[in-house]
Amino acid sequence: GESVGLHLPTLSVQEGDNSIINCAYSNSASDYFIWYKQESGKGPQFIIDIRSNMDKRQGQRVTVLLNKTVKHLSLQIAATQPGDSAVYFCAENGAGGNTPLVFGKGTRLSVIA
Amino acid sequence: NAGVTQTPKFRILKIGQSMTLQCAQDMNHNYMYWYRQDPGMGLKLIYYSVGAGITDKGEVPNGYNVSRSTTEDFPLRLELAAPSQTSVYFCASSQQGTNQPQHFGDGTRLSIL
Repeated sequence: GESVGLHLPTLSVQEGDNSIINCAYSNSASDYFIWYKQESGKGPQFIIDIRSNMDKRQGQRVTVLLNKTVKHLSLQIAATQPGDSAVYFCAENGAGGNTPLVFGKGTRLSVIA
Repeated sequence: NAGVTQTPKFRILKIGQSMTLQCAQDMNHNYMYWYRQDPGMGLKLIYYSVGAGITDKGEVPNGYNVSRSTTEDFPLRLELAAPSQTSVYFCASSQQGTNQPQHFGDGTRLSIL
């Protein structure tokens, strides 16, 4: 889940298992959410997004679930591979209008071969 | 597809020196952003722009300046470098503000000694 301290939380998963990364967002007015993947030494890379009129959206090996009641977002990665090792960020659009996306603090996913 | 291009990739500055971090995008995006990312931490918004000639402060604007004279370019200027500005700087762009994913460059690693 999201960190409230100085260090990123880490999720360690066995290769081949499914991973679930959680995010608690802050603004009940947010209606657009994104997951990003950041590999070491690179910029964040867009994975998948979801709008608030949906509860679930699937991509290739990834699924995003949105629970607006408890303001919770999750990213599920099926059959986790070593190449999935990275830091994952969620982002929400907050107040909307021209206000930029608000990013969470990130979760580090480590895949154990 | 170049996307978002940042230069330089690495730079070491002495305290009190100034420099400009360059950012260019070739996707004709209206919105552009500058973030900093400290080790093991998330992204903090420095400045953003919703179009040529328009800039706004983000969460941590002190010590930085920006300009947006063209749609393509969004340079970030440090006037008097301080050790607290040692960080990795990411530029991003998006077609719209809050309902579209941002596309990131690969960052500029800046050390101030």
